Amino acid sequence: QAGLTQPPSVSKDLRQTATLTCTGNSNNVGNQGAAWLQQHQGHPPKLLFHRNNNRPSGISERFSASRSGNTASLTITGLQPEDEADYYCSTWDTSLSAHLFGGGTSLTVL
Amino acid sequence: QVQLQESGPGLVKPSETLSLTCTVSGGSISNNYWSWIRQPAGKRLEWIGRIYTSGSTDYNPSLKNRVTMSVDTSKNQFSLKLMYVTAADTAVYYCARDPPGDITFDHWGQGTLVTVSS
Repeated sequence: QAGLTQPPSVSKDLRQTATLTCTGNSNNVGNQGAAWLQQHQGHPPKLLFHRNNNRPSGISERFSASRSGNTASLTITGLQPEDEADYYCSTWDTSLSAHLFGGGTSLTVL
Repeated sequence: QVQLQESGPGLVKPSETLSLTCTVSGGSISNNYWSWIRQPAGKRLEWIGRIYTSGSTDYNPSLKNRVTMSVDTSKNQFSLKLMYVTAADTAVYYCARDPPGDITFDHWGQGTLVTVSS
């Protein structure tokens, strides 16, 4: 199935910075941008960023998002134990007329 | 605060139809897209499709031959039917709000596990 590409796992030390990536193509990330979701084990996903890096209220400023071409990035600074979770990117594909998700990145905070 | 709650059978037999309903509270169902998303254990999220409150739909191309969605604005509910299910359809099913003009989902239900087994 078509989708967005994310690294399966990232490990970083407490208080360090993690940058997670999401790669698509010109039909999705390249022209629609990407959104980011956080999912803790056993819970539904939670929105971190809308398109264009718009952060909903209540989301920590330690989280930031950006995009360059067909790749979107999520950066988390000052990593905390509660940041350990799965992170998914999502977007709309204008060619498929469908929402797409990345495969998710499992973030471990050491 | 908008809240969503999925409901429906947790066990469906192979070849039968999976039916789920999502009830929206804390806000009107009107003027929004509403999506169904599923997640098999240990796997990625998969978008199933969405319905606008006018009744127009978009479905995942890989599932569109088996999916039907409907909306009942008087009850603030929308529904999913997935036909001819197999074990591969076993997953946690989520309903979510899909704001117009956005590319993602800003409110999610808690999810409901549906197992396909005889």
